[in-house]
Amino acid sequence: NAGVTQTPKFQVLKTGQSMTLQCAQDMNHEYMSWYRQDPGMGLRLIHYSVGAGITDQGEVPNGYNVSRSTTEDFPLRLLSAAPSQTSVYFCASRDTGGLYNEQFFGPGTRLTVL
Amino acid sequence: AQTVTQSQPEMSVQEAETVTLSCTYDTSENNYYLFWYKQPPSRQMILVIRQEAYKQQNATENRFSVNFQKAAKSFSLKISDSQLGDTAMYFCAFEWSTDKLIFGTGTRLQVFP
Repeated sequence: NAGVTQTPKFQVLKTGQSMTLQCAQDMNHEYMSWYRQDPGMGLRLIHYSVGAGITDQGEVPNGYNVSRSTTEDFPLRLLSAAPSQTSVYFCASRDTGGLYNEQFFGPGTRLTVL
Repeated sequence: AQTVTQSQPEMSVQEAETVTLSCTYDTSENNYYLFWYKQPPSRQMILVIRQEAYKQQNATENRFSVNFQKAAKSFSLKISDSQLGDTAMYFCAFEWSTDKLIFGTGTRLQVFP
């Protein structure tokens, strides 16, 4: 199993550009989520999905869109990038059935918005 | 509102020694889960250990153990026989609902020879 994969690993954008961060998992997990990690602030939840066709907002959803058309994929879209979205982005997945279940994280995407 | 506090931004320990990382949290929930995650320089987030709040027994995983004090809302991580590979950022996390996972700000641990 590849686990949780993210592409790209690094990205530089100009203010106002759009892009999609890709996330895929091959563990047949129902629950997937996106976090951002900023210096001195830990990880914060952006959006999450409990299954195909179902998404919801987390703690910091503004400026980001998500969709979940398949169990495997959960892309994160930035419609109009802003410098405040410079961060490291992590995708994670978990087998539903209890909060105790481990979340598996992807390797992260470092995004810089100029 | 739920909060997680890690009051030690940086810690250091000599190889083979023991170190304890602190974490406190604030909640009015009775049922919840606590986690410690490790983030080495590779940036990968790795689950170290987890604790269910309704279990009084402290969780252990090999060299890693926790001291869970529910009344004090404290969840510290003890690393015994520290190894160079333990050098990483360590995050304490608290979860009480499917969409409610809160991370602390992290403690950077340096293990030196």
